[in-house]
Amino acid sequence: QAVVTQEPSLTVSPGGTVTLTCGSSTGAVTNSHYPYWFQQKPGQAPRTLIYDTTKKHSWTPARFSGSLLGDKAALTLSGAQPEDEADYYCLLSYYGVRVFGGGTKVTVL
Amino acid sequence: QVQLEQSGADVQKSGASVKVSCRASGYSFTGTYIHWVRQAPTKGLEYMGRISPNTGSTEYAQKFQGRVTLSTDTSIRTAYMELQSLTSGDTAIYYCARGGPVALDFDYWGLGTLITVSS
Repeated sequence: QAVVTQEPSLTVSPGGTVTLTCGSSTGAVTNSHYPYWFQQKPGQAPRTLIYDTTKKHSWTPARFSGSLLGDKAALTLSGAQPEDEADYYCLLSYYGVRVFGGGTKVTVL
Repeated sequence: QVQLEQSGADVQKSGASVKVSCRASGYSFTGTYIHWVRQAPTKGLEYMGRISPNTGSTEYAQKFQGRVTLSTDTSIRTAYMELQSLTSGDTAIYYCARGGPVALDFDYWGLGTLITVSS
């Protein structure tokens, strides 16, 4: 089974910008992996922020955006707010087989 | 509104089985899938598999093949995840999430069910 890699932790200043990445052990991440990004705060269920690489749900704050960056999927947070402090997980699909990344803990400090 | 209501926390002995339920409301239950995801204490999310309530077809993550059984009862709009041969490593919060076309996949989640496995 493929391994999906994320940065374990990142720190961003309030109002700053941070980019999280999501890589694959099988090679470059493409739109065919349908990258998803989830936010999870302590004691809560995950919430989907981004699906299909770049698409947002109605509840996704405009400061979050998804993209492909080099050979990885990326989640960019522009204008970080204190409430964005959370764990973020990516999910890739390998011909229907879904694999989560290990998650990135984002601290807003 | 879309809701996924999960069964309450449970404690099981090592070697036993556990069955978690997920009752759907507010949308066409047979028109989508139900995913199951778990999260061990202080760990990340782990994908377990999905089921189509319409056809009953299932897909399991390799790690759980042979030990997990997903099922549904469409008459009561409920999905089930049964995990057998429990060990302490199965102590986790188990989530169900709606699945389907890309725009609907993982858009709504249950609140999770804590399963504790004791020796």
